[in-house]
Amino acid sequence: AQSVTQLGSHVSVSEGALVLLRCNYSSSVPPYLFWYVQYPNQGLQLLLKYTSAATLVKGINGFEAEFKKSETSFHLTKPSAHMSDAAEYFCAVSAGQGAQKLVFGQGTRLTINP
Amino acid sequence: NAGVMQNPRHLVRRRGQEARLRCSPMKGHSHVYWYRQLPEEGLKFMVYLQKENIIDESGMPKERFSAEFPKEGPSILRIQQVVRGDSAAYFCASSSNTGELFFGEGSRLTVL
Repeated sequence: AQSVTQLGSHVSVSEGALVLLRCNYSSSVPPYLFWYVQYPNQGLQLLLKYTSAATLVKGINGFEAEFKKSETSFHLTKPSAHMSDAAEYFCAVSAGQGAQKLVFGQGTRLTINP
Repeated sequence: NAGVMQNPRHLVRRRGQEARLRCSPMKGHSHVYWYRQLPEEGLKFMVYLQKENIIDESGMPKERFSAEFPKEGPSILRIQQVVRGDSAAYFCASSSNTGELFFGEGSRLTVL
């Protein structure tokens, strides 16, 4: 079985500051890991995904995430926050290729202060 | 190439009525997933369907909820005799055989 825990339901950073959103996972098989972004009243957009290749994954909008098996983590980072990054971010896990059912974390709401 | 289309975007029902939510997958996608998002929570898996088949319904409530994905037409999530606790955003996603999930913009159900 798979599960995801996102540490911090709300994160607030200043514009230009580092963004760090934490995600820890649990999986009985090698996982596929995903970060999605959700803007108000919209659907989910895929930011990036880890599928057992490179452990450092680069995504859209300057975001990246590093898969650390020893820490069972997949934290999302961006060096410099922009006002447009304000949104809800979801970490998700699936049980690998072919197992497309995703298990989501509870989400982290990112606020950017001017 | 149109994305995943969901309708209606907003639906208001009174307790006891029926709600029908529709999802048209992306062109070429034969896998459809329904997720529910309660206020201030993440998305919870409900059901996974392929054409004319329910593959995994482990997240569906045992009563009042049903889903279908007919050979022709959109996938339908049906909620009978709605209650206030059914108020949520319902998201549909689709994928090809080995591809990533693409999400629709959701249908927001409000039960009065």
